[in-house]
This record gives sequence, C-alpha cells and structure tokens, in this order.
Amino acid sequence: DVKVTQSSRYLVKRTGEKVFLECVQDMDHENMFWYRQDPGLGLRLIYFSYDVKMKEKGDIPEGYSVSREKKERFSLILESASTNQTSMYLCASNLQGYYGYTFGSGTRLTVV
Amino acid sequence: QQQVKQSPQSLIVQKGGISIINCAYENTAFDYFPWYQQFPGKGPALLIAIRPDVSEKKEGRFTISFNKSAKQFSLHIMDSQPGDSATYFCAAVDSSYKLIFGSGTRLLVRP
Repeated sequence: DVKVTQSSRYLVKRTGEKVFLECVQDMDHENMFWYRQDPGLGLRLIYFSYDVKMKEKGDIPEGYSVSREKKERFSLILESASTNQTSMYLCASNLQGYYGYTFGSGTRLTVV
Repeated sequence: QQQVKQSPQSLIVQKGGISIINCAYENTAFDYFPWYQQFPGKGPALLIAIRPDVSEKKEGRFTISFNKSAKQFSLHIMDSQPGDSATYFCAAVDSSYKLIFGSGTRLLVRP
C-alpha cells in the first residue's frame, strides 16, 4: 500500500524553538507539498517541490522554509516557532502530470 | 483571496437523506475539480473528481454536478449513511498541478 508518512502525529514546542516536520513518501513521486489546515480556512499551501533541491512558495510561506535533499523526503522547517503556527500540518505527494494527491495523516503542532 | 468558495460550513442530514455541498470558483484556468473526504485523525483522501468538459459524474452514491458557465460545482451524497460523517473539501487544480482547497464542510449523518 503506497504511503505518505509524517514522522510525528502530535508535537508540542515552545515559542522561539526551531521545529522540523518530516515527510517521507514511498511512491517515487516527483512532487511534494506542505499544507496547513485550520478550521474554517481549509487547507492552505505553504511550500511545494517539483524535484530534489527545488522549492516553490505557496500561498502562506512566511515563517516557514523547506528542504528536499532526497526525492522521497520533504521537510518543513519553522525557523522560530510562534503561537500562530499552532495548526495541523499535512504533507502530500503526486506524480508529475497526474492530478491525484496522496496525503499523510498529519502532524498536529502546538506552540506554547 | 479565496479562489474556491465552499458552503455550507456544516451540515446535518438524517440517514437516508441527500447531502449537498456547493462550491464556486473564479479562475477559469482550473482544469480539474476533485472532492476530498477527511475522517478525524486522517489526511484527506480523493473521493471523486470531474473535468470541466463534463456536466455530471457519478460514482456509487456520490455525484458531482458541474456548471461551467456559472463556475459552480456541487457534491451530492445520495442515501447518506452515518459512515459518511466526515469533512468534505472541494478543490481545484491549476495548470501547474497545484491543489487549491475550499474551506471544508463538516457533515454529520444522524442514524
């Protein structure tokens, strides 16, 4: 069964900490995406990547960065966590040229 | 600005009833319109999708109706079941294959 795996289901971090959210896919997909999900706002795109070492800003990149050193792994980095970054973070991947996305189960991050 | 607008925010339906969720979009360059279903603790999963050259698509109890001229599309769930209780997201895909979501509808189907 093909999968997108996010390393943590729940995470609690302190304001100002550097936070790493990890995502791994086993489908050899070229494209990977990070979304955050908030009630009433749906899923909003933070960053995406079409290839190794490539990254593009989404709709809400402020306060975030990403890293993609290997095809299967896409990391989201919060350089200095703030309380307004408390949210559910979802990673997704898809095959180039295809519309279907596969999502991970999400990481619920709380910044205190 | 919200490129895909979804309503209602929440919906309660009796078992056996019809659930209807509506979406509207602005960007005429969108060329694929999927619906995602999300259960608590899970990521969204593709439920059904339609291209703009088709007015309706049906898969089992789920039907998408698409009105290109009005830039609207809707999800109909026939014979709604308690197991359909979930959050539903409409979405649109642009030419760079980015997925843009609506704000979501929380559906509760009462037994």
